[in-house]
Amino acid sequence: QQQVKQSPQSLIVQKGGIPIINCAYENTAFDYFPWYQQFPGKGPALLIAIRPDVSEKKEGRFTISFNKSAKQFSLHIMDSQPGDSATYFCAAEKGGGNKLTFGTGTQLKVEL
Amino acid sequence: GAVVSQHPSWVICKSGTSVKIECRSLDFQATTMFWYRQFPKQSLMLMATSNEGSKATYEQGVEKDKFLINHASLTLSTLTVTSAHPEDSSFYICSARSQGNSPLHFGNGTRLTVT
Repeated sequence: QQQVKQSPQSLIVQKGGIPIINCAYENTAFDYFPWYQQFPGKGPALLIAIRPDVSEKKEGRFTISFNKSAKQFSLHIMDSQPGDSATYFCAAEKGGGNKLTFGTGTQLKVEL
Repeated sequence: GAVVSQHPSWVICKSGTSVKIECRSLDFQATTMFWYRQFPKQSLMLMATSNEGSKATYEQGVEKDKFLINHASLTLSTLTVTSAHPEDSSFYICSARSQGNSPLHFGNGTRLTVT
C-alpha cells in the first residue's frame, strides 16, 4: 500500500523554468512533509519541509504548496538551473521522531 | 547543520561473507537511527529503526538475522549484512535526527556489491 503518491516520474524543463512536482497522501495523521534532493550515488539531502498549519513555505528558490483538504502538496523550483538536475522525493511523517514514508521520486533534468 | 557520516562509501564482497556498514552522527547525539535500502531508480525503503541501547525494530519482510543492527552508542549504529548474496547488492543509507521533532538527516550511502 503506497501511502504517498508522487508525480511525475520524470520531468524535463528548460533553464529558468519552474518545475512542479506533486505528492498526495492518504493518512490524515501525517503532520510533517519534507522534500529531499538526491544526486546519483549520494544520500538524500533535506531541501524544505512544511507542517499542515500553513499553506505555503518558501526557502530560496524552493516553495512548498500544501492543500490539507485535498491531502496534496507540491514542490516548485523557481528559476531552475542545470545544477538542480537530480531526483526529488517527497515524504510524510506522523508524530515527532517517527519514520518517514517516501514518495516514489521524480527525476528532474534542467536543460540549457 | 547536523552531519551523518556513513562508512564505507562502497564495498565489494564475495558471496557468503559478511559486511559491516557504520553510521555516525558527527555533531549530535541520535537516540534513533534509520536504515534504508534503495535499488537503482527507485525510492528509499525503510529496513529498520535502530534504537540506542535496545533491539532494532524491523519492517515487515526484512530478515533480522540477515541484517543485524547494533546501536551501541548515541553516535554510532552499524548494519551487518550476514552471508551476503548477489541479491543483497544495493545502496544502503542511514539517517538520524538529533531529537524528536528535528529534521531527518541522511548519510551519503554505501554501495554494496556482492559477487
